[in-house]
Amino acid sequence: EIVLTQSPATLSLSPGERATLSCRASQSVSSYLAWYQQKPGQAPRLLIYDASNRATGIPARFSGSGSGTDFTLTISSLEPEDFAVYYCQQRSNWPPRGFTFGPGTKVDIK
Amino acid sequence: EVQLVESGGGLVQPGGSLRLSCAASGFTFSSYWMSWVRQAPGKGLEWVANIKQDGSEKYYVDSVKGRFTISRDNAKNSLYLQMNSLRAEDTAVYYCARELELDDYGDYQYYFDYWGQGTLVTVSS
Repeated sequence: EIVLTQSPATLSLSPGERATLSCRASQSVSSYLAWYQQKPGQAPRLLIYDASNRATGIPARFSGSGSGTDFTLTISSLEPEDFAVYYCQQRSNWPPRGFTFGPGTKVDIK
Repeated sequence: EVQLVESGGGLVQPGGSLRLSCAASGFTFSSYWMSWVRQAPGKGLEWVANIKQDGSEKYYVDSVKGRFTISRDNAKNSLYLQMNSLRAEDTAVYYCARELELDDYGDYQYYFDYWGQGTLVTVSS
């Protein structure tokens, strides 16, 4: 079973600062990783897929990188609407068509 | 515009049953794998189950296997989750989500590109 860990659990930053979020997989997942943003009371939104591809309509300040077991989501300059929880996600290897999520990183206002 | 609208949540006693529905519009529903993902209060996301386009394949997280059944009606553009023998730990917001399928030279990857707004299921006496 592939396990995803995210760090830090909470990131306290000010608007305009750069945010760097980490996701680590327990075994190699190649470049097959996604990132989601979730704001309070809302459904998650797909930000990045295949580690580095922005989903439709996602601003360029969001970027993803990494491969193998280590991945990073970077927000180049935080906007007020970016304070939220971010989850990474990968297909699990059990069940065969299942999915696993990381525990999330909360980006809050310093 | 893609829309997914869940319904059917509510308060149910332990051991009880509930059926969730998800009405899809704005895309060719029969062309996509669909999933249910849940989120317990204050917790992270947990994938629950998914179903192939024609309903011929279904997969479940171990914790719900034998208790939950996912199904779909492509004629009605609808996804369902029948939940039986409910437990307190099933309390969560349940989201339906469309799976985006990407073909990387025959190695298929799947992500959730559209989500509904969720429906709350509370299991309590």
